[in-house]
Amino acid sequence: DQQVKQNSPSLSVQEGRISILNCDYTNSMFDYFLWYKKYPAEGPTFLISISSIKDKNEDGRFTVFLNKSAKHLSLHIVPSQPGDSAVYFCAARKWDYKLSFGAGTTVTVRA
Amino acid sequence: DVKVTQSSRYLVKRTGEKVFLECVQDMDHENMFWYRQDPGLGLRLIYFSYDVKMKEKGDIPEGYSVSREKKERFSLILESASTNQTSMYLCASSKTGDYGYTFGSGTRLTVV
Repeated sequence: DQQVKQNSPSLSVQEGRISILNCDYTNSMFDYFLWYKKYPAEGPTFLISISSIKDKNEDGRFTVFLNKSAKHLSLHIVPSQPGDSAVYFCAARKWDYKLSFGAGTTVTVRA
Repeated sequence: DVKVTQSSRYLVKRTGEKVFLECVQDMDHENMFWYRQDPGLGLRLIYFSYDVKMKEKGDIPEGYSVSREKKERFSLILESASTNQTSMYLCASSKTGDYGYTFGSGTRLTVV
């Protein structure tokens, strides 16, 4: 039973516009959330994270929003660039250091 | 540059073979993990280890085993490879108290 869900398998956005990736979770014990980015033939790399005690975290062009009551988080990329084309995984963590991952969203940034 | 190294990028094995996937990290991390990545399913945890000689089952351990004889090395073993184990295998490590993982580049395993 997947506890972290990314319901949009793909997203296409024009260069310079905003990309919004969504993630839902079911387990209220998750206390930390992360986004990873993955290029083909490479391992995932850490992008940005947020603690459950916050509702927003920003790092340059990337902002993550957390809505605990809705068990929902989103990643905003502004402005989108061609190098942002990749698969993005949402992940959530409990006290035991194990990460649960969503299915991923493939982002394509069009020139 | 600190990293997690997986010994093979691509492997092709026959059904019924015993397969070893090796992972080494140079960051002195306590925790190590094996995931597999499949389209539409994301990353699913196979096994993990919090310390040398310790191992815990993840969400999909069936058909796999692991070995951690040294802190820096975590091996995934497919006892008798089957075609449904064709996948991308990702090793990761983390330091206790840290929130994220460092991943290796992955091993694309094809079982024919």
